[in-house]
Amino acid sequence: DAGVTQSPTHLIKTRGQQVTLRCSPKSGHDTVSWYQQALGQGPQFIFQYYEEEERQRGNFPDRFSGHQFPNYSSELNVNALLLGDSALYLCASSLQDQPQHFGDGTRLSIL
Amino acid sequence: SQQGEEDPQALSIQEGENATMNCSYKTSINNLQWYRQNSGRGLVHLILIRSNEREKHSGRLRVTLDTSKKSSSLLITASRAADTASYFCATSLGGGSYIPTFGRGTSLIVHP
Repeated sequence: DAGVTQSPTHLIKTRGQQVTLRCSPKSGHDTVSWYQQALGQGPQFIFQYYEEEERQRGNFPDRFSGHQFPNYSSELNVNALLLGDSALYLCASSLQDQPQHFGDGTRLSIL
Repeated sequence: SQQGEEDPQALSIQEGENATMNCSYKTSINNLQWYRQNSGRGLVHLILIRSNEREKHSGRLRVTLDTSKKSSSLLITASRAADTASYFCATSLGGGSYIPTFGRGTSLIVHP
């Protein structure tokens, strides 16, 4: 039974570019959440998707957007990248409000 | 803003010793969870304790919750080198919002 898988594992971009990160939830899960984790910090909630709709959003600008597909997989898009967007981006899936299962993340570096 | 704050920020012990980490939070919560994160990896859910519970056990883990003091503790007994990781508490407010809010974590190093 595959857990949460994220791709790519590492990514290097330059300021101003756009990036798309992908997440496949654990089998049987219908809810996907995205987090940003800066070095030495705890994960910060970006948004959560359920039934292909953004259900909740954290304190992140509109440059951060997402999508959930009918198969429950999800994408995180970030436009106009800033140096401060460098972080580990974590995807977590759950069955509605049960405890979340996390992927190993995408390490995004902005030059 | 981060709801939970872990203490200490870093903890270094010898294998076989017990490790205790604390978490304080500011507002009333629906539940509190503890997660572990190995270096460069995702978070692993350890235990969820609800606001009407005072103590829960899972293997070598013991979690307590004191809602009057708005604090929780995670005890790892008979620690092993493999327990070396960062440990995070995460609080959920309930009332329709079950998104966990994470603290900065405690970095635990267990020396063999």
